Amino acid sequence: GAVVSQHPSWVICKSGTSVKIECRSLDFQATTMFWYRQFPKQSLMLMATSNEGSKATYEQGVEKDKFLINHASLTLSTLTVTSAHPEDSSFYICSAIRDRVQPQHFGDGTRLSIL
Amino acid sequence: ILNVEQSPQSLHVQEGDSTNFTCSFPSSNFYALHWYRWETAKSPEALFVMTLNGDEKKKGRISATLNTKEGYSYLYIKGSQPEDSATYLCAFIKAGTASKLTFGTGTRLQVTL
Repeated sequence: GAVVSQHPSWVICKSGTSVKIECRSLDFQATTMFWYRQFPKQSLMLMATSNEGSKATYEQGVEKDKFLINHASLTLSTLTVTSAHPEDSSFYICSAIRDRVQPQHFGDGTRLSIL
Repeated sequence: ILNVEQSPQSLHVQEGDSTNFTCSFPSSNFYALHWYRWETAKSPEALFVMTLNGDEKKKGRISATLNTKEGYSYLYIKGSQPEDSATYLCAFIKAGTASKLTFGTGTRLQVTL
């Protein structure tokens, strides 16, 4: 069964709205969670690495004030797209790991459409 | 910027055919290579984690090999079935980057009856 749950699956909202996406590890404590974005016909691009209790580490070119990440517990990380605009429309997906040598467990992703 | 490439981009085979795809990655500072299968409307599912040069891993009809010196990995599917239809992603981890994955663009496999 799924070990990482991501909500919501789809979001359609007006420009200027802030959107929060949740990523939960259901049956393990995740030392680290990752947030990715996928543009059409492109690969998954890492946006940020999230560790419980510390600030997220953002990849080059990712605006930390636009994409707020909170990792409040070992089972929950949230990504908030603040004041979203049409160019933020994309597919966002999270993953979690128990430890470094294990594969990442992915959520189902969130399709975000900003009108 | 790390360059991880996969080929072919897409593949269409008949049921029962065997097939293989390639993932190429930087040959320096290697830590690990992951393979994932991503079916439509589902989450990516881990197939293999490969860490040693010469590694060969198998899971049912799917197997993978790794050559870290020349920077490539092959994924093989023996006797393809319609349920194997999915996008197959490889992802490279560079040494010292705390498990950060750099993904290839994937190979989209379609298996028809």
